[in-house]
Amino acid sequence: VQLQESGPGLVKSSGTLSLTCAVSGDSISRGDWWSWVRQPPGKELEWIGEIYYTGSANYNPSLKSRFTMSVDKLKNQFSLQVNSVTAADTAKYFCARRSDWQYYFDYWGRGTLVTVSS
Amino acid sequence: SPELTQSYSVSVSPGQTARITCSGEALSRQHAHWYQQRPGQAPILVIFKDNERPSGIPERFSGSSSGTTVTLTITGVQAEDEADYFCLSADSSGTYIFGLGTKVTVL
Repeated sequence: VQLQESGPGLVKSSGTLSLTCAVSGDSISRGDWWSWVRQPPGKELEWIGEIYYTGSANYNPSLKSRFTMSVDKLKNQFSLQVNSVTAADTAKYFCARRSDWQYYFDYWGRGTLVTVSS
Repeated sequence: SPELTQSYSVSVSPGQTARITCSGEALSRQHAHWYQQRPGQAPILVIFKDNERPSGIPERFSGSSSGTTVTLTITGVQAEDEADYFCLSADSSGTYIFGLGTKVTVL
């Protein structure tokens, strides 16, 4: 199983960030949960949320509602959109898989660095 | 303040034992899981549910738990074990939380 994040690298403050995680070696419709995790420079990892292939999603309640996840079953990928970005959204963004019956992530992508510029 | 606390770094010579701890109140109620992360690489699960080892992970990696502290032990450290190691658990609302990570340096 391989996960590969892709994104713009640089986003302007107040703009929208869109990231995609392409999944290979597994079907996104198999019944796992697909997560986004980010790590700001010098800080711990922060779980953003997870989505099921049906579109059902859970978000970190400590984050404001600027985050939206979606699934594209045909392309076998899932996405994250972050609205009204600020410098605090500068981070390395990872995608990860969690099996439905476990509560840890068994596969991760390498991450993609996103910088929010003013 | 972080909900899971890890020591910043550990330095060991090859063949010695490295112990990495992760502490937090959540660990008295939830399992902990450990990941190895080399620069530019995807994190790799090395221990899940406190002390279980995924297939393909060397036996020198082991985990233990006591109260609000979990420990990842690498017995007989090898040069390839040099990496960052972070713990994962969940808080009382079921939100996943992470430790800041411990840098293991093999001298």
